[in-house]
Amino acid sequence: AQSVAQPEDQVNVAEGNPLTVKCTYSVSGNPYLFWYVQYPNRGLQFLLKYITGDNLVKGSYGFEAEFNKSQTSFHLKKPSALVSDSALYFCAVRDMDSSYKLIFGSGTRLLVRP
Amino acid sequence: NAGVTQTPKFQVLKTGQSMTLQCAQDMNHNSMYWYRQDPGMGLRLIYYSASEGTTDKGEVPNGYNVSRLNKREFSLRLESAAPSQTSVYFCASSVDRVVNQPQHFGDGTRLSIL
Repeated sequence: AQSVAQPEDQVNVAEGNPLTVKCTYSVSGNPYLFWYVQYPNRGLQFLLKYITGDNLVKGSYGFEAEFNKSQTSFHLKKPSALVSDSALYFCAVRDMDSSYKLIFGSGTRLLVRP
Repeated sequence: NAGVTQTPKFQVLKTGQSMTLQCAQDMNHNSMYWYRQDPGMGLRLIYYSASEGTTDKGEVPNGYNVSRLNKREFSLRLESAAPSQTSVYFCASSVDRVVNQPQHFGDGTRLSIL
């Protein structure tokens, strides 16, 4: 079965420190991978995607993600966290049985301390 | 630039009542989606419309119906609301049915069924 796992419910980091939000996936074939962010009382906003090409993908607000095929991971990273980065982050993968559908992880809450 | 607009933002219903959630997008997107978000479960697809005139079931369609009224509008109807349908509902749209295009989300409708 296809799936996306975000193993951490919450990640805590101090402002200015690097952050990593983890995501692993299980799909057959080549994955299409996405990260979205959700601020309180708002809808999801697209951050970045991996379709093909370079394993390091750069996205909005200084975020980047590293695709690792051997570890089936797509971790979200940022070199220096901001308090304003505090939000709920979702990893998603294309449903290989349907070209239009996304399978979302359960989300990871990022809390950046001043 | 409004993007995806959902109405209402909040609603409380009694068990057995019916209700229609409205969604409109002004980005000339072809594809539209309805999701529900429950704590710890990420987003689950209820219905989607790959293009005007077509609708298809997603992961959790039971208890819901949809109408793609025109290219801009995609409504979700609860015919007989149940407490299990208490959730936050998100509408999203994308350029077309190819899933490597990012989805754009509205700010959600928070629905409580008593």
